Amino acid sequence: AQSVTQPDIHITVSEGASLELRCNYSYGATPYLFWYVQSPGQGLQLLLKYFSGDTLVQGIKGFEAEFKRSQSSFNLRKPSVHWSDAAEYFCAVGGGGSQGNLIFGKGTKLSVKP
Amino acid sequence: ETGVTQSPTHLIKTRGQQVTLRCSSQSGHNTVSWYQQALGQGPQFIFQYYREEENGRGNFPPRFSGLQFPNYSSELNVNALELDDSALYLCASRTGGGRHNEQFFGPGTRLTVL
Repeated sequence: AQSVTQPDIHITVSEGASLELRCNYSYGATPYLFWYVQSPGQGLQLLLKYFSGDTLVQGIKGFEAEFKRSQSSFNLRKPSVHWSDAAEYFCAVGGGGSQGNLIFGKGTKLSVKP
Repeated sequence: ETGVTQSPTHLIKTRGQQVTLRCSSQSGHNTVSWYQQALGQGPQFIFQYYREEENGRGNFPPRFSGLQFPNYSSELNVNALELDDSALYLCASRTGGGRHNEQFFGPGTRLTVL
């Protein structure tokens, strides 16, 4: 069955420090992978997506993610975190068929220390 | 360009009641998906509508039903509410039925069932 695992429920980093959020997926075919961010009271905003091609994907707000098929991972990174990055981050895989539904992980809450 | 909007923002119901949530898709989008996000969880796919027809459904009982109108706006109806239906309900719209098209999320409706 298709699934997404985000092993870290909550991460705290200092402002200016680097960040890596982990995501592992289970999917039988070539996955379509996404990272979304959700701020309190807000909907989900797409940070970046991977469909094919270059395994290092650049997104908005200075985020990037690397697809590693051998490890079934799609980790999100940012070299220098800003206080405004504090939010909840969701990794998702595109469902099968033509439906386009997304299968989400449980999310990682990011806190940023001043 | 107007984004995805949802109404109401918050709603409180009691067990056994029925509720209707509404979603206006982004201009030009003909596909609407609904997700349920319980507290501390990632969003879960309920169903999808494409050109007024349901064309995909997640693991939700029949008391969760929906409609899509000719202007591509959508409704989610939940009958016989249960306590576990308390959640944030997210609507997402996109163009076409393909699974690689970006989904744009609304801010959600927070439903509380007492």
